[in-house]
Order: sequence, then structure tokens, then C-alpha cells
Amino acid sequence: QSALTQPPSASGSPGQSVTISCTGTSSDVGGYDYVSWYQKHPGKAPKLMIYEVNKRPSGVPDRFSGSKSGNTASLTVSGLQADDEADYYCTSYGGAKLIFGGGTKLTVL
Amino acid sequence: DVQLVESGGGLVQPGGSLTLSCAASGFSFRSYNMDWVRQAPGKGLEWVSYLGHGSRAIYYADSVKGRFTISRDDAKNSLYLQMNSLRDEDTAIYYCVRDSNHGYAMDVWGLGTTVTVSS
Repeated sequence: QSALTQPPSASGSPGQSVTISCTGTSSDVGGYDYVSWYQKHPGKAPKLMIYEVNKRPSGVPDRFSGSKSGNTASLTVSGLQADDEADYYCTSYGGAKLIFGGGTKLTVL
Repeated sequence: DVQLVESGGGLVQPGGSLTLSCAASGFSFRSYNMDWVRQAPGKGLEWVSYLGHGSRAIYYADSVKGRFTISRDDAKNSLYLQMNSLRDEDTAIYYCVRDSNHGYAMDVWGLGTTVTVSS
């Protein structure tokens, strides 16, 4: 099963917005509203940031938002803060399997 | 507190076997679907396996199908991953993860246990 496609890197200055894309197929991202996004800092466990395309778990700031169009999902981080610097991964249900994206390293300049 | 604690990792030779365990606490374990996710050194996250509550559904990544077996003991609040025919490429940190029951989103993660496959 092929990984979902994410850009390897993204960056922005504090206060700016950045959007990370996650491209799959009609069999995964495009076929289900089961896209999630995770934040991972080095040496720590991943943290759920967005589920079911655009829903935020309790405790996640509203600076984080998700969307989907066709086979591509997106995570937008607004009002960038230093602590947002991390790796971000998308996942999608793909019919009896879950598929991760390759990850995007977000750098806050 | 909701918590997942993995154990059982270690060094094993190629072709060998290992069983990982995950102890859950702070929530009704039997009501939740569970996953194993791994991260190889310098690589991204890779989903390994899913086990639905009541063991109704079991899924495996193609990379481990036929070699790994996921199971659970709800009486012991525990999740397991039996790993056979281990390969170098199975070297990774293995995370036990709770499925939130919302769209396969994984909302609680353990700290991971390290598996090293090497001769």
C-alpha cells in the first residue's frame, strides 16, 4: 500500500499561516471522510490534532484546521508559534487498512 | 489518567520472534478499537495493525501480513502483537495506540517500545 503524499518540508514565520497537503486516491482520502492529522515532536509520542477531516479534539487550539477537496486533504496552521515546529503526518482509512503520509517537517523561521 | 504502556521490545535476530504487550489503564479498554503503529529510525510513521473492540475486525499492513498477529485480552486490559519471521526492516519503535472510535483517529499513544532486528 503506497503512502499518502505530503511535501517533505514547509515553513513560515511566527504569526503567519502555513498549509500542508496530503494527497491520496479515491480509494482512501477521496473515498472516506476519515482523514486525521498528527503532530510529532522529536522523542515524543504523536498527538492527534484533527480527525474526520476537520474536527479538533478537545484541547487543540483553533489555529489548527483541516479540510479536504477530492483526493487531497489539507492542514492549515494559523498564527504560527515556535512550538508548532514539528513533524506532521496525515492518515486516511483506505478500506481494511490505514495509510500514513510520509510526513512534513514544519519549520518556524 | 488514560495511559498505554508498551513492553517486550528488544534485540532479536533476523527470522526470530518477539511478542509486544501493551497495558491500558484509565479507560474502558474493552470498548475501544486499538492499533499498533511503528516508526523506523529516521523514517515516518507506519500503521501496522488494527483490532476492533470485541475482536470484530482485524486489519494488517501488507508489510506484516502473515507474519504478525494482533490480539487482546479485555480481562487484563491488554493488547498484544506477536511478531514472527522478523526482518531487518521491522526495526522500529512500536507504539500502542487507542482508536478514538471517531473515523479511525488515534487519540491516545503509548511512549513506545524499541524492537531491533539484527544479527
